[in-house]
Amino acid sequence: SQQGEEDPQALSIQEGENATMNCSYKTSINNLQWYRQNSGRGLVHLILIRSNEREKHSGRLRVTLDTSKKSSSLLITASRAADTASYFCATDARDSGSRLTFGEGTQLTVNP
Amino acid sequence: DAGVIQSPRHEVTEMGQEVTLRCKPISGHDYLFWYRQTMMRGLELLIYFNNNVPIDDSGMPEDRFSAKMPNASFSTLKIQPSEPRDSAVYFCASSPRWSGYYNEQFFGPGTRLTVL
Repeated sequence: SQQGEEDPQALSIQEGENATMNCSYKTSINNLQWYRQNSGRGLVHLILIRSNEREKHSGRLRVTLDTSKKSSSLLITASRAADTASYFCATDARDSGSRLTFGEGTQLTVNP
Repeated sequence: DAGVIQSPRHEVTEMGQEVTLRCKPISGHDYLFWYRQTMMRGLELLIYFNNNVPIDDSGMPEDRFSAKMPNASFSTLKIQPSEPRDSAVYFCASSPRWSGYYNEQFFGPGTRLTVL
């Protein structure tokens, strides 16, 4: 299986609810990033968490990182219909230079 | 800044034809990446450059694919000859100089390639 696997593969919630997506990876990392992709568009960087950080916030986003479990979660609070998109985690392995390895993504649908 | 620019946005071609995809990275970025995205395989890194030099092309699927970066502001991905299985969305991304900790990538809008 790939470095950077998200679950669930798909998530459907109602507007106002919180959405949690998880990511697991295999190797030691420098950092872990989350990206969003709207349908038919390129990926957009959301947030980065370094390997020595455990939690990070940005607006309605909260990211956690557990390096002992090699896992991360992305929480979107008070979701909006505009949050509907695919969300990808990307890992920067310590021996990989500047390359990122992307997971398969979670398709989030927020119903109005 | 206009962001990463890709052209064309859509390309429809017939099997056996040559296809050239173009990318203009963000000015000042040292890294340029080419990705391919399909439903079956997700987002795959094909090749990346650092200061116009190819660093890792292990993701290039076969000899039909080639990529060049003749200068800091332009890169091409060429497929010759194209096959139906090459149909995908191809993304170009660029990244500033790697600090060792922060290497956010900025993606272009992609080129949707359909090979008939």
